[in-house]
Order: sequence, then structure tokens, then C-alpha cells
Amino acid sequence: DQQVKQNSPSLSVQEGRISILNCDYTNSMFDYFLWYKKYPAEGPTFLISISSIKDKNEDGRFTVFLNKSAKHLSLHIVPSQPGDSAVYFCAASSGTQGGSEKLVFGKGTKLTVNP
Amino acid sequence: DSGVTQTPKHLITATGQRVTLRCSPRSGDLSVYWYQQSLDQGLQFLIQYYNGEERAKGNILERFSAQQFPDLHSELNLSSLELGDSALYFCASSVGGLNEKLFFGSGTQLSVL
Repeated sequence: DQQVKQNSPSLSVQEGRISILNCDYTNSMFDYFLWYKKYPAEGPTFLISISSIKDKNEDGRFTVFLNKSAKHLSLHIVPSQPGDSAVYFCAASSGTQGGSEKLVFGKGTKLTVNP
Repeated sequence: DSGVTQTPKHLITATGQRVTLRCSPRSGDLSVYWYQQSLDQGLQFLIQYYNGEERAKGNILERFSAQQFPDLHSELNLSSLELGDSALYFCASSVGGLNEKLFFGSGTQLSVL
């Protein structure tokens, strides 16, 4: 049973436009959500996170939105740049129930930003 | 550079063999995590160690084992290897508290032939 789902394996956008990556989860106990970015031949790197007490968190060009009632979160990248081309993983945890060991990852969405 | 070092980067072996993957965490990090990424799969949590002690177990097979040494480096041992064990194995580290971001190494690509 996949608790964190990224239903779009890939996404292609033009440079300068908005990229929207989506993630759905099924476990209502999840209360902390993170996005990781992964380039080829490298490990994932932390991008941005959000706690369930918020519905939005912004960091520069990256904004994560959380809709708890829909069990849905999204990552917005504005404006998109070719260097943003990578695989993006959504992850969730019941952080208040434990530590980072409870992180559950989605399968990832490959974003391609075309010049 | 995340500060997490994994060796080797690539490993090719045969079915039935045993291999050891090594991980050195970031300086100061007490927690080490092992993840497996198979083709078309997300990152599957295998096991976590905190300051030398096993803290959490995920979907780790009985043929796999891990340990964290006093210097905090960790090893993941995979035995009786099967074709399906071919995957990218990531190590990550964190200081060890709640809601912490993980710092990942670049992974070990294991190919079982």
C-alpha cells in the first residue's frame, strides 16, 4: 500500500513558466511533509518542508501548499529554470510520533525544464 | 556535497554472493539511515541507527543486516544476493532529532548478475 503517491512520473515545462508537482497521501497521521530534489548520479537533497499546522511555505522560487482535507500537497516552482530539471520526491512523516525514520517517500516526478 | 560519503559507488556481483556497503555520515550526525531505490520505485526505508544502536526497521530483508560503529560510520551487509536486489542503495544522516531533513550520500549502485 503506497501511502505517498506522485501520480505524474514526468512533467515538462518551458523555462520561465510555473512548474507544479503534485503529491497525495493516504495516512491521516502524517503531519510533516518534505520535498527532495535529485540530480542524476547524486543523492536526494532537501528542498523545502511544511508542517501540518501551515498550509503554505515559501522559500524563494519554491512554494509548497498543503491541503489537509484533500490529503494533497503541491510544489510550485516559479519561474522554472533549466537547472531545476531533476527528479522531485515528496516525503511525509508522522513527525510528532517519532523521528525522521518514519519518512515515507513517493516514487518521484521527473521535471524537465526546456530552455 | 552533502558531507555523507558512500563507498563503493558501483558494485557488480553474482547471485548468491555477499557484499558490504559503507557509509560515513556528516560530521556531528548521530543517525544513519539506509534506503533502497529499485527501478520505478521510490526510496524504501530499510533501517536506521542512532549512536550505534538500531532505532527503527523498515522493509529490510532477513538476508540484509547493518551496523553502526563507534566512529559512527555504518555498513550495510547484503548476503545470498538475488537478481532482485539490484538497486541503488542510499545512506543518509541527520543529527537525530524530530522532523529533521536528511542528508543523503550519492549512493551505491548494486548490480547482481
